[in-house]
Amino acid sequence: GIQVEQSPPDLILQEGANSTLRCNFSDSVNNLQWFHQNPWGQLINLFYIPSGTKQNGRLSATTVATERYSLLYISSSQTTDSGVYFCAVERGGNQFYFGTGTSLTVIP
Amino acid sequence: GAGVSQSPRYKVAKRGQDVALRCDPISGHVSLFWYQQALGQGPEFLTYFQNEAQLDKSGLPSDRFFAERPEGSVSTLKIQRTQQEDSAVYLCASSFLDSGAEAFFGQGTRLTVV
Repeated sequence: GIQVEQSPPDLILQEGANSTLRCNFSDSVNNLQWFHQNPWGQLINLFYIPSGTKQNGRLSATTVATERYSLLYISSSQTTDSGVYFCAVERGGNQFYFGTGTSLTVIP
Repeated sequence: GAGVSQSPRYKVAKRGQDVALRCDPISGHVSLFWYQQALGQGPEFLTYFQNEAQLDKSGLPSDRFFAERPEGSVSTLKIQRTQQEDSAVYLCASSFLDSGAEAFFGQGTRLTVV
């Protein structure tokens, strides 16, 4: 399978700060998604981004497929951003491989 | 429906009991996936359906686990003779295409085996 590594594993921010989360993967992929797992356990889609750059409000993401990494940027963080962020990739075998996540805590 | 729906949200089972977990995917979605998420870990793949065909069941941890999607829409994950190590959150996802498309997850079923 594909190895997916996320960093940092844990992150504590003051409200209003910016952050960058990283996802490295070990093989070429045809699908990459970023998710936010809320305190109730649901995986919320943030970005579908197998390549390129996308922005959605305070969040943006960039995937450099040729170098096998993706970055998630969170600007002006809010307490509601707290939770675990997962990167997941698919190579075409209809199986997503997830990283171990970045646990984000935003302090007021 | 508007999203992927799973039921029940929570299930407590006595060890040895059989359980059935239901997933209603987004209408029209071809692909359906089941994942298992242990506490503090990322989700791990269990099985994949394309319409009613189960094309990959390589992630099912034992023959006590069985999944079906008989009409290509609703799916059921059944666990027979539950064990304590089966305690986890079971997540269902669906996507419109058979590969490479955005997947959407349900809210999960938290199974606790006592």
